[in-house]
Amino acid sequence: DTEVTQTPKHLVMGMTNKKSLKCEQHMGHRAMYWYKQKAKKPPELMFVYSYEKLSINESVPSRFSPECPNSSLLNLHLHALQPEDSALYLCASSLEGGEATGANEKLFFGSGTQLSVL
Amino acid sequence: QQPVQSPQAVILREGEDAVINCSSSKALYSVHWYRQKHGEAPVFLMILLKGGEQKGHEKISASFNEKKQQSSLYLTASQLSYSGTYFCGTDPYNNNDMRFGAGTRLTVKP
Repeated sequence: DTEVTQTPKHLVMGMTNKKSLKCEQHMGHRAMYWYKQKAKKPPELMFVYSYEKLSINESVPSRFSPECPNSSLLNLHLHALQPEDSALYLCASSLEGGEATGANEKLFFGSGTQLSVL
Repeated sequence: QQPVQSPQAVILREGEDAVINCSSSKALYSVHWYRQKHGEAPVFLMILLKGGEQKGHEKISASFNEKKQQSSLYLTASQLSYSGTYFCGTDPYNNNDMRFGAGTRLTVKP
């Protein structure tokens, strides 16, 4: 299994809603990532989990709350989002998650969740 | 911190060649290349490691000059399937902090 699975594929939510994005991989990868991608822009790093611990938080607003319950699963909890948060949210994973790793590890991306905030 | 890519866009006819460049202001352990087709996730193409190795993927190859902190992606005899946006990625601190360049939109026409 060489897939990163993201659900749902599409999500429409109001500004007062609470929703969650889910990402799963069964490749034994120890680093998992959330990226945000606006149309015609590159993916922007939001969070990185390394061995199930949050290792990078790119000053993301608190209305985005990541969670890594186990080594295969990554969630992104959403609350009180703004219309400008509408974007494609990509999950990715890579094999190694420790210090002095990452640069040589290719990223496997999920197909993303297209989020629209009304 | 993110790498700089050029050009922003390229339009080719089938069979033509193209070069996409990526540069960084920081010393690099490696450079990654990904391709993203419209409505799809980025797909890994190759990693270039220190040592200036040239790697290949189909008729796509790349080089990495670690002293100049630059990489180039070479697309030879382009095919329609090569259309998409190409991103280079770097992790200059080697800590799973992968950042992407702005992307190069490649269009191959019949």
